[in-house]
Amino acid sequence: DAMVIQNPRYQVTQFGKPVTLSCSQTLNHNVMYWYQQKSSQAPKLLFHYYDKDFNNEADTPDNFQSRRPNTSFCFLDIRSPGLGDAAMYLCATSRGASGETQYFGPGTRLLVL
Amino acid sequence: AQSVSQHNHHVILSEAASLELGCNYSYGGTVNLFWYVQYPGQHLQLLLKYFSGDPLVKGIKGFEAEFIKSKFSFNLRKPSVQWSDTAEYFCAVRFSGGYNKLIFGAGTRLAVHP
Repeated sequence: DAMVIQNPRYQVTQFGKPVTLSCSQTLNHNVMYWYQQKSSQAPKLLFHYYDKDFNNEADTPDNFQSRRPNTSFCFLDIRSPGLGDAAMYLCATSRGASGETQYFGPGTRLLVL
Repeated sequence: AQSVSQHNHHVILSEAASLELGCNYSYGGTVNLFWYVQYPGQHLQLLLKYFSGDPLVKGIKGFEAEFIKSKFSFNLRKPSVQWSDTAEYFCAVRFSGGYNKLIFGAGTRLAVHP
């Protein structure tokens, strides 16, 4: 029944050690998004894919990258995590990109030691 | 800059009390408006949305919201809350002129006591 799946739910990494977060979807949606949500703050869009077209937000640090090898999967790579990157990372999908409802996964909580 | 603000960060109510959560957004032309809810330990779920038409929108679980264009507001209401409504509520706005980017408010944590 799960529609947007994120693995793992909790991830611990070391300062500077690359980490990859995973998102998959069973909705066959065209658009996949990654949001960062720090404690007590609003979710903030990092980037999104429309099919294979990658769209980065202007203020997303270069440290954050993404890959979408196929429709179902999307990855968030953090090349050199800093303490300030500790957050909840939310994956979402939508069928299209014109006011379509976004469906969210449960999130991955990243802890940087 | 496009922004969304939610007036209350924490709200505590007793069961059967009425609820109203405020949401305001910066001017940005045509908007699509959303309220999402996050129950403890669960993912964000859509409560309701407004795209056009009747400014009073009804959503799931007895929630409704009213779009007041002149006030740039989209407040969420429920006449009588239940303990199971304990959750965090997020207002989100899609501003015109772009793709499907949502700008979220910081959220309101609602605690309902039996």
